[in-house]
Amino acid sequence: KAGVTQTPRYLIKTRGQQVTLSCSPISGHRSVSWYQQTPGQGLQFLFEYFSETQRNKGNFPGRFSGRQFSNSRSEMNVSTLELGDSALYLCASSLVLERGMDEQFFGPGTRLTVL
Amino acid sequence: GENVEQHPSTLSVQEGDSAVIKCTYSDSASNYFPWYKQELGKRPQLIIDIRSNVGEKKDQRIAVTLNKTAKHFSLHITETQPEDSAVYFCAAQARFGAGTRLTVKP
Repeated sequence: KAGVTQTPRYLIKTRGQQVTLSCSPISGHRSVSWYQQTPGQGLQFLFEYFSETQRNKGNFPGRFSGRQFSNSRSEMNVSTLELGDSALYLCASSLVLERGMDEQFFGPGTRLTVL
Repeated sequence: GENVEQHPSTLSVQEGDSAVIKCTYSDSASNYFPWYKQELGKRPQLIIDIRSNVGEKKDQRIAVTLNKTAKHFSLHITETQPEDSAVYFCAAQARFGAGTRLTVKP
């Protein structure tokens, strides 16, 4: 079975621009979560999607949004980029129906640099 | 939502010693507690997990204990080896602790 994939792997943007990141979960997984990872801040939860619905949301501003398609692939969008948005963005997929109740499988991440 | 706190943030041990990392959580409804290991430049991967109907679980040199009353759980690594050096994360309800950077000195 193919693992979680994320595209692109690296991205350089300038302040004020917007960006869209993509995540393809493991086949059969319907839950996709997004995390922001910065040095010293661990894994900050952005949001989780299940069956095309946002099931849970972290404490990030409205500039961060996401969606999930019928094939479970997910995208996250960041508008009006700020320097502080530079981070590794990880997505993770999970099989179990109930949020947070089973192993999450992480993708390799997208390294976003905002100049 | 769930809030997870993890301590210590860094831990340095000699090869062969034991390492213990502790986490507390806030939501008493949480009942699944995984631990992930993230090596430098790699993605986090599950190393062990525990569900609330169990107090302890072992897998070779790794063990996790859970105290539901006190709402804390711990990761224990015995006979540490240099390859155990990594960042370890605990989680509850898909919320992660801040991570512990473990360094095992040969």
